[in-house]
Amino acid sequence: EAQVTQNPRYLITVTGKKLTVTCSQNMNHEYMSWYRQDPGLGLRQIYYSMNVEVTDKGDVPEGYKVSRKEKRNFPLILESPSPNQTSLYFCASSRAGLYGELFFGEGSRLTVL
Amino acid sequence: DQQVKQNSPSLSVQEGRISILNCDYTNSMFDYFLWYKKYPAEGPTFLISISSIKDKNEDGRFTVFLNKSAKHLSLHIVPSQPGDSAVYFCAASDSPGSSNTGKLIFGQGTTLQVKP
Repeated sequence: EAQVTQNPRYLITVTGKKLTVTCSQNMNHEYMSWYRQDPGLGLRQIYYSMNVEVTDKGDVPEGYKVSRKEKRNFPLILESPSPNQTSLYFCASSRAGLYGELFFGEGSRLTVL
Repeated sequence: DQQVKQNSPSLSVQEGRISILNCDYTNSMFDYFLWYKKYPAEGPTFLISISSIKDKNEDGRFTVFLNKSAKHLSLHIVPSQPGDSAVYFCAASDSPGSSNTGKLIFGQGTTLQVKP
């Protein structure tokens, strides 16, 4: 089954404790991206990757890091989480040239205390 | 500055009637527009898209209209069904020339409720 898998789905953590949200897709997609969803703000792009070893900032990259060492994986790293990073996070992927027609994961709800 | 705006947070329609969801954008460089649907506790799913070279795209009960001069697009659902109740996001991107920037800008979302 074609899917984008995110882990963890739910996480409560404390300020400053590094965490990684993993994202994996099994569709051999070149393009992957991370979004956060906040009330009244919709989905905002954090980082995206056009292919392996190619990443670029979205609209809200501050406080986040990403890496794309393999095609299938695109982890989101919060080196020192802060309460303003409490949000619902979505990973997504698509074929090259169809980056708008994204397949999304089910989301990871992160709470930073 | 919100480049893609969905000014109606919610919309309620009767089953069988038409649902019209609206979206406005400010960046004239946007040339590709999409609609996504999101159910609670799930990720968004792609619904329909339109390129700026068209003014209409239809897929079954769903039709997207694009008015470039007004920088406005709309999604029509006819007839509306209770299973259409969800949050709908419009999104836009620009791809200058042949390059592919990979940036996709979403609106805030509109919650559609279709009453039986």
